[in-house]
Amino acid sequence: GESVGLHLPTLSVQEGDNSIINCAYSNSASDYFIWYKQESGKGPQFIIDIRSNMDKRQGQRVTVLLNKTVKHLSLQIAATQPGDSAVYFCAEKAGNKLTFGGGTRVLVKP
Amino acid sequence: EAGVVQSPRYKIIEKKQPVAFWCNPISGHNTLYWYLQNLGQGPELLIRYENEEAVDDSQLPKDRFSAERLKGVDSTLKIQPAELGDSAVYLCASSLEGGRRTGELFFGEGSRLTVL
Repeated sequence: GESVGLHLPTLSVQEGDNSIINCAYSNSASDYFIWYKQESGKGPQFIIDIRSNMDKRQGQRVTVLLNKTVKHLSLQIAATQPGDSAVYFCAEKAGNKLTFGGGTRVLVKP
Repeated sequence: EAGVVQSPRYKIIEKKQPVAFWCNPISGHNTLYWYLQNLGQGPELLIRYENEEAVDDSQLPKDRFSAERLKGVDSTLKIQPAELGDSAVYLCASSLEGGRRTGELFFGEGSRLTVL
């Protein structure tokens, strides 16, 4: 498959460890914040979202934290697995408009 | 359930030639999006359809790009003439009710365009 990006920030993590991916957003009026995962040669895949009136939401092995004071969003992946290797994008939604931020590449080392 | 289907997956053309991409959204999804993704960057919205109406095309370069969604289902995105800077991945996505309650869009695998 082809590479999604060549000069992305990269997080290398040992298999089984936890991963934390960070994102800064800009629009205070955004009502949802979302994390997408993009594997090489594929389109982005929805992971989890959080409404703007919440500060934490948990899914299966993933937790999203929202800090509106500093406009910061993070994604925590528990017990990172080889299948988690991908590029992760945060996105913010204001009304019907979804805006993606820059991505972070996660490399899982065996 | 079938996902969003796009074709072609890959296209190589010479500059000044036309190109067209096709998208079939998930059945029942009334909102359809075309995004452009450059290498190493997040997707950028080109156009959004609610049924057959283009409700946001502010980022579509209308001098060379056009899109249509006849009958509110399939959509095509056309570039004529293509320029070197158009080399990118063109992603189609769909959602139910514009993803109003969440940000969940369903993406296709994309059409990778290379302009020589």
